[in-house]
Parts: sequence; C-alpha cells; structure tokens
Amino acid sequence: TQLLEQSPQFLSIQEGENLTVYCNSSSVFSSLQWYRQEPGEGPVLLVTVVTGGEVKKLKRLTFQFGDARKDSSLHITAAQPGDTGLYLCAGRYNQGGKLIFGQGTELSVKP
Amino acid sequence: ETGVTQSPTHLIKTRGQQVTLRCSSQSGHNTVSWYQQALGQGPQFIFQYYREEENGRGNFPPRFSGLQFPNYSSELNVNALELDDSALYLCASSLPGGGSNTEAFFGQGTRLTVV
Repeated sequence: TQLLEQSPQFLSIQEGENLTVYCNSSSVFSSLQWYRQEPGEGPVLLVTVVTGGEVKKLKRLTFQFGDARKDSSLHITAAQPGDTGLYLCAGRYNQGGKLIFGQGTELSVKP
Repeated sequence: ETGVTQSPTHLIKTRGQQVTLRCSSQSGHNTVSWYQQALGQGPQFIFQYYREEENGRGNFPPRFSGLQFPNYSSELNVNALELDDSALYLCASSLPGGGSNTEAFFGQGTRLTVV
C-alpha cells in the first residue's frame, strides 16, 4: 500500500514548459519534504513544508502544502534540461520519525 | 556533498550469502536511518538508530539487522540474500534534537545486486 501517491510517474517535456507534480495521501503529516535524486546518487533535499497552506519558492520551483497537510504540489516554471531527475515527496508523521516516500516522478526535460 | 559516506558503492552477491553495508554519518549527527530503494520506486524505510539503539523499524524481515557504533557510524546486515534484495541501499543521518522539519542528509547509496 502506497501511503503517498505521486503523479505523474513519468513526465517528458520540452525546455521552457511548465509542469506540476502532485503528492497525495489520506494521512495527515507533520511535515512534508521534497527531494531530487540523480542517477547513482542519494536524494537531495529541496524544501520542507510544515504548515497547512504553506507556499515556498526556490527560484523557478514553487512548493505548496495542502491546508489539511495531506497533500502537496511542486510546480516548475520554464523547465530546463538541468531540472531532469527523479523528484520524490516524503512525509513525516512526527518529529524525528521515519520518512514515508512517494514512488517518485521521473522528469525529463529535452532541449 | 552531504558528508554522509557509504561503502561499498557497488556490490554483487549470490543468493543465500550475507552482506554488510557501511555508513559514516555527518559530523554531529546521532541518528542514522536506512532505506531500500528498488528500481523505479521511492525509498522504503528499513530502520533507524539513535545513540546506538534501534529506534523504529519498517516492514522488513529479521534477516535485515543493523548496528550503530559510539562514533554514530552504522552498518546494515542482510542475511540469506534473496534476488528481491537487489536495490539501492541508502543511509541518511539527521541533526540531533529532532523537530518536524529535521533534514535528513543522504549518502550516495550502495547498489546491491543479488544473482
């Protein structure tokens, strides 16, 4: 049973396009984190959101935590080939607890 | 670079064998977690160690075991390897003190192939 559902699982777009990745759950999380992982590497943290309704921006990336803290989205504006990678959302039920990961979204941005 | 190092980076083992994977946590981090990431999937939590004690375990059989040492480095041991154990094994260390937004720093992983 996947506690965190990510969609889409695969996304192939052209440079300059916008995209949104969704992370949904029936569970409430105390915090939710987004990671980016490149082949042969471990996940690297992009952002952590902790408050329902919170929006955080990181250059061309916008992250939102749902009001009920059950879902989140990642929006990339004007995607670039360097954005290519596996994007993972991960939630925690409590502080210091384990991370529950989604299955990931494989993004390919073509020049 | 996160400062979390794992060894070896790649490993090939035969079904039924035993394997030990190693992780050096980032300086000052006393919590280490291990995750298994199958191809095309997100990481799955195996267990967590805090100050040398197991502090949470995921849905993995007892043949997956671990240790944490006084310097907070850690080992993951897997006995009686099965083909389905082939995966990327990730170690993550965390800042002490917890908190809902505690960042986990991941190593580059060990790619285990069981043949």
